[in-house]
Amino acid sequence: DTAVSQTPKYLVTQMGNDKSIKCEQNLGHDTMYWYKQDSKKFLKIMFSYNNKELIINETVPNRFSPKSPDKAHLNLHINSLELGDSAVYFCASSQGNLAGDTQYFGPGTRLTVL
Amino acid sequence: QQQVKQSPQSLIVQKGGISIINCAYENTAFDYFPWYQQFPGKGPALLIAIRPDVSEKKEGRFTISFNKSAKQFSLHIMDSQPGDSATYFCAATLEEYRSSNTGKLIFGQGTTLQVKP
Repeated sequence: DTAVSQTPKYLVTQMGNDKSIKCEQNLGHDTMYWYKQDSKKFLKIMFSYNNKELIINETVPNRFSPKSPDKAHLNLHINSLELGDSAVYFCASSQGNLAGDTQYFGPGTRLTVL
Repeated sequence: QQQVKQSPQSLIVQKGGISIINCAYENTAFDYFPWYQQFPGKGPALLIAIRPDVSEKKEGRFTISFNKSAKQFSLHIMDSQPGDSATYFCAATLEEYRSSNTGKLIFGQGTTLQVKP
């Protein structure tokens, strides 16, 4: 009964490739997020969607494109991968989109760009 | 001004001891301060949270102390156990994010806690 699931868990790829990470939540939440955690464990929000609508779009290269086919899914597509994209990417969801709503994180996808 | 500064970066505590992690912020508009716990290979999970209208919140062995005038808040883990070994993140969020319904959290840099048996 995984609440927030991500696939794949590990992703190893060459520079220049295009890859996608999928996220699904079965909590019935309205809001979903993508976070990037770098090698120093710093956690930073990238995107947020509320009911399939883009709410937050931080300063992220436009090679990163989120897509929300429905409110239970938020996928992340990355074009022309670069070495600096290597990180752990976390998907999260929350009941609503208020600041105080608890965010539930997925297990993460470790992306390694060679 | 949107930063949250967390210290120490790493902490080693003996079993049964008290672990203390500190965070400081600049923006006085921050009005919700959660702490997240992350075990290796897992995603962060909410541990405890506080709003600035109270100075302390306790849940079991975990206590948040909040000093509004100093713009600081801290996590105290009493009777620390090896199972508490994890990375802890403080976070903060702004009223404007709440009113604009974005749910944006600003995270501190994280503290890796190791509790020795």
